[in-house]
Amino acid sequence: QSVLTQPPSASGTPGQRVTISCSGSSSNIGSNTVNWYQQLPGTAPKLLIYSNNQRPSGVPDRFSASKSGTSASLAISGLKSEDEADYYCAAWDDSLNGHVVFGGGTKLTVL
Amino acid sequence: QVQLQESGPGLVKPSETLSLTCTVSGDSISTYYWSWIRQTPGKGLDWIGYVYYSGTTNNIYNPSLKSRVTISIDTSKNQFSLKLSSVTAADTAVYYCARRLGTYSTFDIWGQGTMVAVSS
Repeated sequence: QSVLTQPPSASGTPGQRVTISCSGSSSNIGSNTVNWYQQLPGTAPKLLIYSNNQRPSGVPDRFSASKSGTSASLAISGLKSEDEADYYCAAWDDSLNGHVVFGGGTKLTVL
Repeated sequence: QVQLQESGPGLVKPSETLSLTCTVSGDSISTYYWSWIRQTPGKGLDWIGYVYYSGTTNNIYNPSLKSRVTISIDTSKNQFSLKLSSVTAADTAVYYCARRLGTYSTFDIWGQGTMVAVSS
């Protein structure tokens, strides 16, 4: 069971806006920044969002994210078929001398 | 551009030690923190630990694996390595090496991953 909680699945049709939630606690999301990763089928994860809401170079502005308290969310607008992937949130957790924790992942299906 | 490549045996026997190496190309390893992350089949990501170029003094490991994990670095070869002892079937996973950039959970470059199965 993952320390950060994500819904196992999400779906949307092309052009729609989809959001994926990530719930944590005061020792992780509540006191540290959140990153989001996209994993396309058969590939390594790719950094999608860092420091809560920053996009690395090359990531379309259709992807956005936010954080509030002990939760974070990723939003994808103008959904495209190529967005079908697994999405993971991650944060540093201050407990037990500190360690990185991931969400269990959300499989996004574009209908 | 910076690339990471994992290498090592694809099959390890139970109770033995899993050993993997990550070769960094396109940049010096002597700048960042480097990490190992694994993904069990059909499941999520599991962070294993960090090593810094200056040596293992500043290593940080996943508390759940700490007793079995050693991550080391060889700056002369631009490589870092993972050793996981006393493996069981639960350690069967795809193992990724990654570069940490910025905050603790920001991994900006990943290797392609290598599958390691634990089986007799």
